Amino acid sequence: DVKVTQSSRYLVKRTGEKVFLECVQDMDHENMFWYRQDPGLGLRLIYFSYDVKMKEKGDIPEGYSVSREKKERFSLILESASTNQTSMYLCAGNSGYSEQFFGPGTRLTVL
Amino acid sequence: SQKIEQNSEALNIQEGKTATLTCNYTNYSPAYLQWYRQDPGRGPVFLLLIRENEKEKRKERLKVTFDTTLKQSLFHITASQPADSATYLCALDEDSSYKLIFGSGTRLLVRP
Repeated sequence: DVKVTQSSRYLVKRTGEKVFLECVQDMDHENMFWYRQDPGLGLRLIYFSYDVKMKEKGDIPEGYSVSREKKERFSLILESASTNQTSMYLCAGNSGYSEQFFGPGTRLTVL
Repeated sequence: SQKIEQNSEALNIQEGKTATLTCNYTNYSPAYLQWYRQDPGRGPVFLLLIRENEKEKRKERLKVTFDTTLKQSLFHITASQPADSATYLCALDEDSSYKLIFGSGTRLLVRP
């Protein structure tokens, strides 16, 4: 069964903390994506990666960075968390121009 | 700028009826369009993909149409069931890239 997993379902952090969100896929996908989802705004792309050690900015990269050291793992890093980064974070993977497979999401609250 | 519009108001229908959801886009020439289902607190799940040279695609009770002249896709669920209640998202490729642009989704409620 296809699996994209995320390290946490719920996370509470304080302003200024460094936050790591981990995503692991077992489908051998070349491409991996990080989105955030907010009510009324839909899914917005933060960063994506089309190969190991490769990354490209999405629509809202400010305040975030990513790391892809291995094909199956794509990490999202909030260098200094802020309250406006409270959101649902979704990781996805795919190969080529096919459908994207999503993880269950991490609901992050920054206090 | 590129824009995708889905009806933000919930669609409320009776069980057994056909649900029709709309996705309109502007300033795009997508090579393909995708529909996803999302349940509360969960990640989206892929349903159907339709390419620009396809007019219609079917999968069981689901049907998608793609009109590149009208810049519109319609998503139909026939013989709807309460279990079909969810938010449905449409997504378009951005300039034939790996990136998808998502609409904000339409919530479907199917009454028993």
